[in-house]
Amino acid sequence: GAVVSQHPSWVICKSGTSVKIECRSLDFQATTMFWYRQFPKQSLMLMATSNEGSKATYEQGVEKDKFLINHASLTLSTLTVTSAHPEDSSFYICSARPAGQINQPQHFGDGTRLSIL
Amino acid sequence: AQTVTQSQPEMSVQEAETVTLSCTYDTSESDYYLFWYKQPPSRQMILVIRQEAYKQQNATENRFSVNFQKAAKSFSLKISDSQLGDAAMYFCAYRSHTSGTYKYIFGTGTRLKVLA
Repeated sequence: GAVVSQHPSWVICKSGTSVKIECRSLDFQATTMFWYRQFPKQSLMLMATSNEGSKATYEQGVEKDKFLINHASLTLSTLTVTSAHPEDSSFYICSARPAGQINQPQHFGDGTRLSIL
Repeated sequence: AQTVTQSQPEMSVQEAETVTLSCTYDTSESDYYLFWYKQPPSRQMILVIRQEAYKQQNATENRFSVNFQKAAKSFSLKISDSQLGDAAMYFCAYRSHTSGTYKYIFGTGTRLKVLA
C-alpha cells in the first residue's frame, strides 16, 4: 500500500531555533501534499497545501513566514518552523495525494511531535 | 464553506456490541467524498471507510459500515462486533470533488472506548 514517511517523529529543541520536518511518499509520486497541525485532544487543522514546483497555499491565519513549506520533488515536502517558540509545540502531520489519482484518499504520515522548550 | 460536525465527543461500547458514530456536514456541492479515519494512541491516521456522494449504496468494510443520507447531509459510522482494538479517536472528513480542491475538512472527532 501507499506509504508516507515523516521524519523526525519527535523533536525537542530550544526556543528560537528552526526545525525542519520532512514528508516523503515512499512508493508513489505526490504532486500535492498537505500539512496539518493537531493540538492535544483536538482535530486536525489544515495549515497549508503543498504543490510540487510551486508555492504552497496557506490556510487563513497561518503565518507563511513562520511555517515555510518547500515541495521540491514529487516525493518530498518539507515544513520548517522558523524561530520556534513554546506556542509552536504541537503534533504536525503530513499527508500526500497520489499524482493523477484524484479519486484516491490522502495517505498520512505518522506525525511529528514538536516540543519547544 | 463546508463544515463537518461530530456531536459526540465520546462514546462507549461493550466488546462485541455495535456502536454508531454520528457525523453531519454542510455543503452546497453535489459531488464530494466522505471519509472516516481512525486515530489510535499512536496517532497514526488510518482510513476506515469512504463514500462517494454520487453512490447511493452505503459503503461497507468488514465490520464497518456507513449510513449515508445525502439529503440530510448525514454520514454515520456503524461498528459491529466491537473489538478492544477499535478504541481510538474517530474523525469524519469531507473532501470536495472540485478539480484542484483536494483538501480535507475534518470534524472534531469522537473518542470511542471499548469496554471489556
